[in-house]
Amino acid sequence: AQSVTQLGSHVSVSEGALVLLRCNYSSSVPPYLFWYVQYPNQGLQLLLKYTSAATLVKGINGFEAEFKKSETSFHLTKPSAHMSDAAEYFCAVSASPGANNLFFGTGTRLTVIP
Amino acid sequence: GAGVSQSPSNKVTEKGKDVELRCDPISGHTALYWYRQSLGQGLEFLIYFQGNSAPDKSGLPSDRFSAERTGGSVSTLTIQRTQQEDSAVYLCASSSSGGPTDTQYFGPGTRLTVL
Repeated sequence: AQSVTQLGSHVSVSEGALVLLRCNYSSSVPPYLFWYVQYPNQGLQLLLKYTSAATLVKGINGFEAEFKKSETSFHLTKPSAHMSDAAEYFCAVSASPGANNLFFGTGTRLTVIP
Repeated sequence: GAGVSQSPSNKVTEKGKDVELRCDPISGHTALYWYRQSLGQGLEFLIYFQGNSAPDKSGLPSDRFSAERTGGSVSTLTIQRTQQEDSAVYLCASSSSGGPTDTQYFGPGTRLTVL
């Protein structure tokens, strides 16, 4: 079975500081991994995805994530936080290769302090 | 172009009543998903439609929940005899072909409150 765990339901960073949002996965098969962002009063939007090509994945708005099989992790980072990054972030894993739905983590709410 | 739309945006109902939630996917997308987002929890998969294939209903929590997709486009999620634990945001998503690496595009959701 596939699942993801997001460590920290709330993360606060200062504007300009490094953003690090943690995601660990559990999968019995090589996973496909996703990060989605939900801005206030908006739907979820894809930030980036890992589909077994390059282990370092670059996404929109300066975010990137690195797939580390040895650590079963897919942490999301951004070198310098902007006020506009304040949102809820969800890590997700595909149910299994060939399956169709995603298993989501419980989300991490990012607050950016001016 | 237009994204995924859902209606209503908010629905308040009384326990025991039936509700219908609607999803209009992105034009041309063959795959459609329903998820539920409960307070303090992640998104929970409910059901998946792909073209004319039989839907994957493995995530539906009880037989009070059902969904249809007419003409390969619009979908309706129906909850019968609503319970307070059904209160959540119901999210619809569509993708171009339904593959495991496809990007799913989400609608803004329907917030359901069962009194």
